[in-house]
Amino acid sequence: KNEVEQSPQNLTAQEGEFITINCSYSVGISALHWLQQHPGGGIVSLFMLSSGKKKHGRLIATINIQEKHSSLHITASHPRDSAVYICAVRLRGGSEKLVFGKGTKLTVNP
Amino acid sequence: NAGVTQTPKFRVLKTGQSMTLLCAQDMNHEYMYWYRQDPGMGLRLIHYSVGEGTTAKGEVPDGYNVSRLKKQNFLLGLESAAPSQTSVYFCATDKNTGELFFGEGSRLTVL
Repeated sequence: KNEVEQSPQNLTAQEGEFITINCSYSVGISALHWLQQHPGGGIVSLFMLSSGKKKHGRLIATINIQEKHSSLHITASHPRDSAVYICAVRLRGGSEKLVFGKGTKLTVNP
Repeated sequence: NAGVTQTPKFRVLKTGQSMTLLCAQDMNHEYMYWYRQDPGMGLRLIHYSVGEGTTAKGEVPDGYNVSRLKKQNFLLGLESAAPSQTSVYFCATDKNTGELFFGEGSRLTVL
């Protein structure tokens, strides 16, 4: 079993829909990252969080440490949100240790 | 991401050839990482460095070597390329707060 599981693997939505991507992990962590990768492009950090909730524009990230679960929400989705969203956890006790999920491919149709 | 630059962006090698990927950062970060990204798999750590002159093995280090002679540069070398090393390679750096900064990626094909 992977230490970091994302769901769904693929997600197709219509413009304007509310999107939720989930990340579950099985290890002790010091922080969790949400990353965005556009097709053929580099990787951009969206959020780093260790508790609670963060918001940036139309993106919201939440984490529940007790349940070992995080969600990334996109409100009023737009075709430019189409990308792969990657969850990564930083293991507790080892700052260089990041474990990545396999990513969720989001396609937003106009 | 401005601040982390990888060269080259694309490279095609024949089996057995050698090459070096360069990662340069201008953010004065201590931590630097080399990852590979393969279809259907999450990013996997090859080697990393916690400061100038230091390197350490990651999850998949075999067939790769690294050097960090200057704080701003982290080099990834393939001494004898193999088809299994066909991948997209990403360099990343780490701010003190743990925020990650990635390069644009380097696509390597080994024939």
